[in-house]
Amino acid sequence: QKEVEQNSGPLSVPEGAIASLNCTYSDRGSQSFFWYRQYSGKSPELIMSIYSNGDKEDGRFTAQLNKASQYVSLLIRDSQPSDSATYLCAPRRGNAGNMLTFGGGTRLMVKP
Amino acid sequence: GAVVSQHPSWVICKSGTSVKIECRSLDFQATTMFWYRQFPKQSLMLMATSNEGSKATYEQGVEKDKFLINHASLTLSTLTVTSAHPEDSSFYICSARSLGDKAYNEQFFGPGTRLTVL
Repeated sequence: QKEVEQNSGPLSVPEGAIASLNCTYSDRGSQSFFWYRQYSGKSPELIMSIYSNGDKEDGRFTAQLNKASQYVSLLIRDSQPSDSATYLCAPRRGNAGNMLTFGGGTRLMVKP
Repeated sequence: GAVVSQHPSWVICKSGTSVKIECRSLDFQATTMFWYRQFPKQSLMLMATSNEGSKATYEQGVEKDKFLINHASLTLSTLTVTSAHPEDSSFYICSARSLGDKAYNEQFFGPGTRLTVL
């Protein structure tokens, strides 16, 4: 089992729709969770972080965390073509190193 | 968010030569910097963790004598790819984590360096 699992996609949604990106992780010791957006040929850009169970909203983005189910998701409302990118889920390891473990990413395509 | 720079943004070199990549945190102090490598259509793979003033910690399978890391100050870490070969061609990305509560501080990525070894 991979440490962090994401559906590679592509996930295709029409402009204006809600995009739902999912991620499961295996390290029960993970306490912090991050979502990064990566455009092709560019480095990752942090868009959301979440530390507690429940929802966290920031503009059009909502992160959801369920530690009991080892599940974290990202919802993008009113999707725009500029949201088309690969979204990386990154739990922080629960050990002393505090390093991020990246999933393979989900490629999102928002069609005009 | 915090700004991390990398230099150069791209480099082409001959096989057998060494290449140095710099990573700087511009507006914050970074106790820890991370070096990643990303091959086309693959996710980021952590190569090593660099702590200011101490030796880097390398991930399993990463040759420390080939990928030399120096974290000379709280704002600068360098990665030197020694005796580069075509299989080392990749996108190298650094990230920096600010001082503070380790459980909650965030990592910010540099723009990456694309290395092509001929």
